[in-house]
Amino acid sequence: DTAVSQTPKYLVTQMGNDKSIKCEQNLGHDTMYWYKQDSKKFLKIMFSYNNKELIINETVPNRFSPKSPDKAHLNLHINSLELGDSAVYFCASSQGTGFLNEQFFGPGTRLTVL
Amino acid sequence: SQELEQSPQSLIVQEGKNLTINCTSSKTLYGLYWYKQKYGEGLIFLMMLQKGGEEKSHEKITAKLDEKKQQSSLHITASQPSHAGIYLCGADMNRDDKIIFGKGTRLHILP
Repeated sequence: DTAVSQTPKYLVTQMGNDKSIKCEQNLGHDTMYWYKQDSKKFLKIMFSYNNKELIINETVPNRFSPKSPDKAHLNLHINSLELGDSAVYFCASSQGTGFLNEQFFGPGTRLTVL
Repeated sequence: SQELEQSPQSLIVQEGKNLTINCTSSKTLYGLYWYKQKYGEGLIFLMMLQKGGEEKSHEKITAKLDEKKQQSSLHITASQPSHAGIYLCGADMNRDDKIIFGKGTRLHILP
């Protein structure tokens, strides 16, 4: 059973397009996250939702919009894709907020913008 | 500037040898995670350290957090091919529940 799943695993698209990445967790966790890992493998948090409410919103372009329809899902929609958006995007979840809550990561979605 | 520095950036080790990866911060850490990423896969939790001087072990991997809580080391004893991957340290730097990650250390194990 996959704890944190993401779809698609790979996404290749043209500059200017709009795309979405979906994330689902079946762990019953309250908190979900989106991270971006760039080509240098640097992992940086983008957003965090707790009980469907946005609690962390790092300096991310407005073209990125997270949506949490319920506690088990956190989707990432990206408008007007740019070359610099190419990266691996990881979804994660944890029981609650705070450092003591171990985060479980999904397998990642490799986005390539041409 | 990078808040968490990992060293080395990459490491090639003969199977069976021991190795150490370091994670250093200029600030006191309020807790530190070690994760492993297998090439092309997601992150796997290894260990979490909170207290100064704390040391934890899991199988052949030992992680320590120094007394000042500014440096952590990850030590692998008798390395195996299954240890290959990217090791990331992450920490809550500002007590704001955001984990900041280091750039990772790529570990290759030679048979």
